[in-house]
Amino acid sequence: QSALTQPASVSGSPGQSITISCTGTSSDVGSYNLVSWYQQHPGKAPKLMIYEVSKRPSGVSNRFSGSKSGNTASLTISGLQAEDEADYYCCSYAGSSPVVFGGGTKLTVL
Amino acid sequence: EVQLVESGGGLVQPGRSLRLSCAASGFTFDDYAMHWVRQAPGKGLEWVSGISWNSGSIGYADSVKGRFTISRDNAKNSLYLQMNSLRAEDTALYYCAKDMGMWELHFDYWGQGTLVTVSS
Repeated sequence: QSALTQPASVSGSPGQSITISCTGTSSDVGSYNLVSWYQQHPGKAPKLMIYEVSKRPSGVSNRFSGSKSGNTASLTISGLQAEDEADYYCCSYAGSSPVVFGGGTKLTVL
Repeated sequence: EVQLVESGGGLVQPGRSLRLSCAASGFTFDDYAMHWVRQAPGKGLEWVSGISWNSGSIGYADSVKGRFTISRDNAKNSLYLQMNSLRAEDTALYYCAKDMGMWELHFDYWGQGTLVTVSS
């Protein structure tokens, strides 16, 4: 099972909005609404930010939102803050495999 | 408070075995599936294996299938990963992660990880 495709890096200024894409195939992202997103700060464990494409766990800021169109899922962070600077990973159910992560995206807040 | 504490990592020679453990607390362990996710140094996340609440559903990444075995002991609130025939490419920080449900494949709590280094 190949990893989902994410941009290696994205950047934005405080207050701006950014979107991170996650491209899969019709065998994973395109077929199931089981996409999740994780934030990982350096030296820390990942943190669940979005599940089932667009749902936020309790305690996660509503500045984080998720969506999906076809084989591509997206994470949008609005009102960028310095503490949002981290690595972000998408993840999808992939049928027989059954879980695949994206390669990760480094978010830099300028 | 949910806590997941991994142990059992260390330096091991290629071809040898290692058993990882994850001690869980703060939630009803046998209500949830559990998973192992690893991260090689400087690399991304890779799902390794998962086990449903009653061990009825088990899955492995292709990269470890036939070499690793996941198990759980609900009476001891513990998750295990038996790793055999270890390779250099298995070197990684291994995280224990709690599923949001019985097999939903979203991971809402993570441990701090245990480091496995495979080298001669």
